[in-house]
Amino acid sequence: GNSVTQMEGPVTLSEEAFLTINCTYTATGYPSLFWYVQYPGEGLQLLLKATKADDKGSNKGFEATYRKETTSFHLEKGSVQVSDSAVYFCALVKNSGGSNYKLTFGKGTLLTVNP
Amino acid sequence: NAGVTQTPKFQVLKTGQSMTLQCAQDMNHEYMSWYRQDPGMGLRLIHYSVGAGITDQGEVPNGYNVSRSTTEDFPLRLLSAAPSQTSVYFCASSYTPSRGRNEQFFGPGTRLTVL
Repeated sequence: GNSVTQMEGPVTLSEEAFLTINCTYTATGYPSLFWYVQYPGEGLQLLLKATKADDKGSNKGFEATYRKETTSFHLEKGSVQVSDSAVYFCALVKNSGGSNYKLTFGKGTLLTVNP
Repeated sequence: NAGVTQTPKFQVLKTGQSMTLQCAQDMNHEYMSWYRQDPGMGLRLIHYSVGAGITDQGEVPNGYNVSRSTTEDFPLRLLSAAPSQTSVYFCASSYTPSRGRNEQFFGPGTRLTVL
């Protein structure tokens, strides 16, 4: 079945540091890939997505590139801010039609950014 | 648009009690789903629906029932609450992938404690 593996946290960085959160996946076919962010006490919000190989998703300074050859979708940001402190989830959904559009999530990575 | 709304925000139950978690969306999405979020487990799919009158089980359906009588509403029923159902519950909705927009939108969550 489908699975998503993301790096274990927690990750603690100083403001303006470079961020990478690794994510790899297992799925047949060509899934769509997502990063969701969950701020304390809130629901999940879509951060960015990519729907095919070599697509780059970007939003709010975050980027991730869909790499089919390495089955990866690593999240990066060049300079983090305190307001980026949150839990980040990598996820995939298959696009093979029927009922195969259930999201499969990684376990989440807690990011804390200190001033 | 209100997006995805969930009620209640918090609930405390005693073992054996039943209750219904409400979820509604006003985006005319065909697909709706329920997840539970537990520490270290990420999000796990409980039940989902691809349209009014159609529901199916996810990874962890035991102890939960759903129905989808309208496009807008997708309530989750706990039949006889158990402490193992203490969790945060999220409802989500999306268009079907055939419409080319498959990102899921999440509600703010219901925090449930079963004593």
